[in-house]
Amino acid sequence: DAGITQSPRHKVTETGTPVTLRCHQTENHRYMYWYRQDPGHGLRLIHYSYGVKDTDKGEVSDGYSVSRSKTEDFLLTLESATSSQTSVYFCAISWTSGPGYYNEQFFGPGTRLTVL
Amino acid sequence: DQQVKQNSPSLSVQEGRISILNCDYTNSMFDYFLWYKKYPAEGPTFLISISSIKDKNEDGRFTVFLNKSAKHLSLHIVPSQPGDSAVYFCAASAAGANSKLTFGKGITLSVRP
Repeated sequence: DAGITQSPRHKVTETGTPVTLRCHQTENHRYMYWYRQDPGHGLRLIHYSYGVKDTDKGEVSDGYSVSRSKTEDFLLTLESATSSQTSVYFCAISWTSGPGYYNEQFFGPGTRLTVL
Repeated sequence: DQQVKQNSPSLSVQEGRISILNCDYTNSMFDYFLWYKKYPAEGPTFLISISSIKDKNEDGRFTVFLNKSAKHLSLHIVPSQPGDSAVYFCAASAAGANSKLTFGKGITLSVRP
């Protein structure tokens, strides 16, 4: 299994509070991703990173920000949590991407976030 | 606009029989396809993939078929086992810089003993 950990694994918070989720990898993979999984929606990409300090938005990025100051850590921040952000959040990593390469991603165990 | 579609939310199969999970896509730029398996309270795990230059890829009990003209792929599991009961996600990617995966909504497979 790829060395990916997520913390916390479970969190309950109140509407309006800031929340930061952490993804840590020991694989030295260049690419890191944050997804959310919701019933009826599958996995949706929030943000991704293609290197230290290089990030970009996914399809559901509103209300989320990310930071990557080290290869091994990718942080997802909810600036002011809302009930619609109650979800299971998955971090993923991949070795490479680009022409001639394909994007097989490895996933962390997930963080279950409940916003009351 | 949903680019990867798994139209059947669930499938129930008898142990030992074949499971066929279907996936359709709309983006003609997709040229690499993957299947992920997910158990409850765990992250998705990669199962099998196929490049658009192939129409079939096999790995043990799992075979993925790709029909590019129909923009359709399917995952066959033969024989199905109770441990195969999980959610299966189809995903697609277009080769290129910083290409991302687009996932379907998933199919819940139940294999009855």
